[in-house]
Amino acid sequence: DTGVSQNPRHKITKRGQNVTFRCDPISEHNRLYWYRQTLGQGPEFLTYFQNEAQLEKSRLLSDRFSAERPKGSFSTLEIQRTEQGDSAMYLCASSLWDTRGEQYFGPGTRLTVT
Amino acid sequence: GQQVMQIPQYQHVQEGEDFTTYCNSSTTLSNIQWYKQRPGGHPVFLIQLVKSGEVKKQKRLTFQFGEAKKNSSLHITATQTTDVGTYFCAGGLYNFNKFYFGSGTKLNVKP
Repeated sequence: DTGVSQNPRHKITKRGQNVTFRCDPISEHNRLYWYRQTLGQGPEFLTYFQNEAQLEKSRLLSDRFSAERPKGSFSTLEIQRTEQGDSAMYLCASSLWDTRGEQYFGPGTRLTVT
Repeated sequence: GQQVMQIPQYQHVQEGEDFTTYCNSSTTLSNIQWYKQRPGGHPVFLIQLVKSGEVKKQKRLTFQFGEAKKNSSLHITATQTTDVGTYFCAGGLYNFNKFYFGSGTKLNVKP
């Protein structure tokens, strides 16, 4: 399967713990996005990478959130000192550097903070 | 705050009826994308519009991008039960670097 994959699919953690999610985009895609989605809402932009460079970061992203894409392939999203408000589905999407701009989404990681 | 507003939030139609969802942005967009998300699934790309006033069709689906590149619509003719899902618009800024999704329109089609 050459789609976008995310791990883990589900994560339950206690408030105050750190969590890290991984996204493996489609291999030839050089654009990678992270979004957060809560029930009944659309995906909320968190950050964007072009290859290994993080070019955009939402102002909504507090200092507790950090993302990396070290070799321009897979990406990780880390949340430090998790809060209950961080509970959501975290979606990764990738796309090609062309005019179509089609984003391919992964299945997401559902985070529950207790 | 949210920069792309989408209405209606819900739409219930009888199979065979038409359906339209609307998106409005507070700022001029570089492009707009439309996605469909089935219950329990992830967003799936439908189309992208880039040009002012652009209209694109995919079978029973018609997509429009406003002249000012601040609004867009998706119209489905003669809905089918397979059209059930939530439709999202995503307004692009700075040429694909950042996208603002609307809150979505959840479509339910009664057979």
